[in-house]
Amino acid sequence: TQLLEQSPQFLSIQEGENLTVYCNSSSVFSSLQWYRQEPGEGPVLLVTVVTGGEVKKLKRLTFQFGDARKDSSLHITAAQPGDTGLYLCAVNDYKLSFGAGTTVTVRA
Amino acid sequence: DAGVTQSPTHLIKTRGQHVTLRCSPISGHKSVSWYQQVLGQGPQFIFQYYEKEERGRGNFPDRFSARQFPNYSSELNVNALLLGDSALYLCASSPRGGFNYGYTFGSGTRLTVV
Repeated sequence: TQLLEQSPQFLSIQEGENLTVYCNSSSVFSSLQWYRQEPGEGPVLLVTVVTGGEVKKLKRLTFQFGDARKDSSLHITAAQPGDTGLYLCAVNDYKLSFGAGTTVTVRA
Repeated sequence: DAGVTQSPTHLIKTRGQHVTLRCSPISGHKSVSWYQQVLGQGPQFIFQYYEKEERGRGNFPDRFSARQFPNYSSELNVNALLLGDSALYLCASSPRGGFNYGYTFGSGTRLTVV
């Protein structure tokens, strides 16, 4: 059983559209991280959210941590082909425990 | 500044063989972790080393072993390779172990077992 459940598994959209990916768990976390992984590369840390209800913005990316600290979402506004990649959420308790990821494809 | 470097980038081995993967952390980082990522899944934790001592081990068989050297570089060894060991092996470094520190990943070693 995955500690973190990510949905959807795959997402394909046209350039300029918006998208949201989700990361859910039945457990409460002190913090949660989001990574993006491009083909042939390792994951790159995008953000760490630590406070229930917290919203963080990184250019066109908006990250939200649920009030109960059990879930998180990533919203991309006006997606671009450069946003294509595998989006992973992870819990960091000295080791990283990742969800299975959402593969996002943005078509030009 | 160099990031996390891993070698080799690609490797093909035969079932039953042994493999050694290498990782050099970012300068000044004292913690190295290893992860296995099979196709369609997120990375799975294998080992963490800090100051040359094992700090954690994931749910992997004893065929997997690792060590960290005085210069903080690390090796991951896998014995008696199985087809199911085919995966991307990722190394991540951080200034220290623990949840308050971010991890920087290398580009990985793609291992194919035939």
